[in-house]
Amino acid sequence: KNQVEQSPQSLIILEGKNCTLQCNYTVSPFSNLRWYKQDTGRGPVSLTIMTFSENTKSNGRYTATLDADTKQSSLHITASQLSDSASYICVVRGGGGNKLTFGTGTQLKVEL
Amino acid sequence: DAGVIQSPRHEVTEMGQEVTLRCKPISGHNSLFWYRQTMMRGLELLIYFNNNVPIDDSGMPEDRFSAKMPNASFSTLKIQPSEPRDSAVYFCASSYAGQKNIQYFGAGTRLSVL
Repeated sequence: KNQVEQSPQSLIILEGKNCTLQCNYTVSPFSNLRWYKQDTGRGPVSLTIMTFSENTKSNGRYTATLDADTKQSSLHITASQLSDSASYICVVRGGGGNKLTFGTGTQLKVEL
Repeated sequence: DAGVIQSPRHEVTEMGQEVTLRCKPISGHNSLFWYRQTMMRGLELLIYFNNNVPIDDSGMPEDRFSAKMPNASFSTLKIQPSEPRDSAVYFCASSYAGQKNIQYFGAGTRLSVL
């Protein structure tokens, strides 16, 4: 069964600190992996999209990594800001029918 | 571009009533997606269209749900009759193959069925 599991479920950090969010998946065959940021009351916004051959991709203070062998991805946020408070959703495309499988997200709160 | 536009933003209705959610995708995008999001289950893909044609509706929970895309600039998701368990935020997203199929989401419609 295709699954995407994210950890932690929620996280509180102080402004300026770094954090890393994890995504483990069992989707096979693998096509690509995406990280979305969803602010409260808004729709998700794409942060990165990674294919099989990509190990690391950055988007400003966000850096995503992918290990296709262990089927793990991480999203590292550097020097967190209050505006980083959001839900971060990992989405994997693949499996039969090349469908999207969604994680349930990590709820990040950045405090002063 | 104004992005993906959904209406209404909020809908409160009584059990048994018909609900119609509307979506205007980004101009030029050829794929449109309807999602449902709840705290318990996260984001779930309900159905998606490619060039106005429904490609995969396996996520539609039951016959009470139907979706149409009469043209490239408009889609509806209808629930008839609605039930309390349909309460969720419904998102519409659109994408274009030339942009690695990155999906752009609307702001969502928060549906409450009493």
